[in-house]
Amino acid sequence: EAGVAQSPRYKIIEKRQSVAFWCNPISGHATLYWYQQILGQGPKLLIQFQNNGVVDDSQLPKDRFSAERLKGVDSTLKIQPAKLEDSAVYLCASSLESQGTQYFGPGTRLLVL
Amino acid sequence: AQSVAQPEDQVNVAEGNPLTVKCTYSVSGNPYLFWYVQYPNRGLQFLLKYITGDNLVKGSYGFEAEFNKSQTSFHLKKPSALVSDSALYFCAVTPLQGFQKLVFGTGTRLLVSP
Repeated sequence: EAGVAQSPRYKIIEKRQSVAFWCNPISGHATLYWYQQILGQGPKLLIQFQNNGVVDDSQLPKDRFSAERLKGVDSTLKIQPAKLEDSAVYLCASSLESQGTQYFGPGTRLLVL
Repeated sequence: AQSVAQPEDQVNVAEGNPLTVKCTYSVSGNPYLFWYVQYPNRGLQFLLKYITGDNLVKGSYGFEAEFNKSQTSFHLKKPSALVSDSALYFCAVTPLQGFQKLVFGTGTRLLVSP
């Protein structure tokens, strides 16, 4: 079965610019997650969707980050405007159900200059 | 809130020797525990998980983990290390009951020398 797909793989932008990341989960997986992984740290959950509804966005910096999963399948994470400290790898994961085993995509490496 | 500690930033082991990567956790109630591995420029790959039952869990690529409730530990083990096992390993925990997000440790880099 195909895994979690993410694009782009790499992105370099200047601070105050905007950027968007795309994720397509494993087919049939109802739950989708976006994580931020800063160098030297473990992944930190930004937002969790159950189908197209938000379950947890408590750690999403809502003044600059937004995410949507309109049809309950693929999802987009946006940063506007970007800050230097947003440089990180953004990982998307999906699971069959909430609390199920999460399967991760390859990630998008973002560098903000 | 749940938390994970991986006390070693790096573990060095010679090929063919047994390896252990340590993890301790804190959670309310019973834990749901995971190990993931991350290779360079790749996402996290699921290795194994513990929900309930036998304290020794077997996973992918010959890895296993031992759950110890009294010590709140979930150490990752492999009887004979391979050079290709060199990677970054993450332990993660969430409470078994109720919705809480999965919390990851800071990771342990495993270096297996030939």
